[in-house]
Amino acid sequence: QLQLQESGPGLVKSSETLSLTCTVSGGSISSSSYYWGWFRQPPGKGLEWIGSIYQSGSTYYNPSLKSRVTISVDTSKDQFSLNLTSLTAADTAVYYCARGAGSTIFYNPPDYWGQGTLVTVSS
Amino acid sequence: EIVLTQSPGTLSLSPGERATLSCRASQSVSSSHLAWYQQKPGQAPRLLISGASSRAFGIPDRFSGSGSGTDFTLTISRLEPEDFAVYYCQQYGSSPLTFGGGTKVEIK
Repeated sequence: QLQLQESGPGLVKSSETLSLTCTVSGGSISSSSYYWGWFRQPPGKGLEWIGSIYQSGSTYYNPSLKSRVTISVDTSKDQFSLNLTSLTAADTAVYYCARGAGSTIFYNPPDYWGQGTLVTVSS
Repeated sequence: EIVLTQSPGTLSLSPGERATLSCRASQSVSSSHLAWYQQKPGQAPRLLISGASSRAFGIPDRFSGSGSGTDFTLTISRLEPEDFAVYYCQQYGSSPLTFGGGTKVEIK
């Protein structure tokens, strides 16, 4: 059974950089049949796509966050990571990692999700 | 960017009743690349429907999706106690991927 697990700090300071890692188990991140993505959800609000990465390393980012986001993959560890710079209180959210089937994000929606990790940005 | 508007914001129904949730897109969704998710408090979203009408693996057949272009519907034929949750539509036909604001289905 595929499982995804987010890890990283629960509290970060304003203007600093958030680094989160998603560890994949029960499957390989190296398969070209899947893509991997990050999403977030501010407390009490809806979902927002941050960006996605393919096994090849190619990335797609939400234009609203593109200038601050980097997503990378480490196939040797079956992990992919999110870096989000210049944090503000508006970045406080539950961050989810997820997997989708297909070689492009436009083929299938994400079907496996991590449990999510709450990140609070403090001043 | 495709904006998805879900209605109603809250649906108050009793177990056994039929639920009809709407998702309207600001422009046509490419190839009906529209998904529906269910989310319960403290949990990750759970994929219910992809391609506007295809149920995901393990999803009961009381859940059905329909629609194309700019108007989509999720129907729950008979509400079970575990179906009371928030439901989101998402389009994955163009970048950026976007979600609707959600419909909360609550017990009346």
